[in-house]
Amino acid sequence: AQSVTQPDIHITVSEGASLELRCNYSYGATPYLFWYVQSPGQGLQLLLKYFSGDTLVQGIKGFEAEFKRSQSSFNLRKPSVHWSDAAEYFCAVGVNAGKSTFGDGTTLTVKP
Amino acid sequence: EADIYQTPRYLVIGTGKKITLECSQTMGHDKMYWYQQDPGMELHLIHYSYGVNSTEKGDLSSESTVSRIRTEHFPLTLESARPSHTSQYLCASSAQGSYNEQFFGPGTRLTVL
Repeated sequence: AQSVTQPDIHITVSEGASLELRCNYSYGATPYLFWYVQSPGQGLQLLLKYFSGDTLVQGIKGFEAEFKRSQSSFNLRKPSVHWSDAAEYFCAVGVNAGKSTFGDGTTLTVKP
Repeated sequence: EADIYQTPRYLVIGTGKKITLECSQTMGHDKMYWYQQDPGMELHLIHYSYGVNSTEKGDLSSESTVSRIRTEHFPLTLESARPSHTSQYLCASSAQGSYNEQFFGPGTRLTVL
């Protein structure tokens, strides 16, 4: 069965510092991978997605993610974090029939 | 503007009341979903629909029911609310195809006293 693991429950970074959020997946076929962000009291917003092709994908708000098949990973990165990036981040793998399996999420706190 | 809407955003209600959470999307998406999410926690799929008159239960057992009479509308109903139903409910939709991203509404935060 498919699964998504986000090893870090909570990460704190200083504003302006770089960020990497980890995501590992388990899926038998070629994965379709997503990163979503959820601000407090809001729904989820898609940051970026990987279906095929270039393993480094660019998203909105200056985020990027790199797909590494050998490591079954899809880590999210940002070179310089802004205070407005504080939120909950979810990694997801698309499974058949239009559903997705979500990770447990990583809470990002940004220190001034 | 294409979007997905949920009403109400917040609902506080007494035990035993019947409630319906509304979800509508203007993107023409065939697939729609309901998730339950406790604060700071993961999402649990409770219902999904592939199209009109098609609904199925999700991975997490729920006492709620859903209907899909129109493509754009996917309401969720609780016949008798209980404190254990207190949670955030997120509605989402996605386009035709097996692996498309989901578009989420802002959520309904339900509190049952």
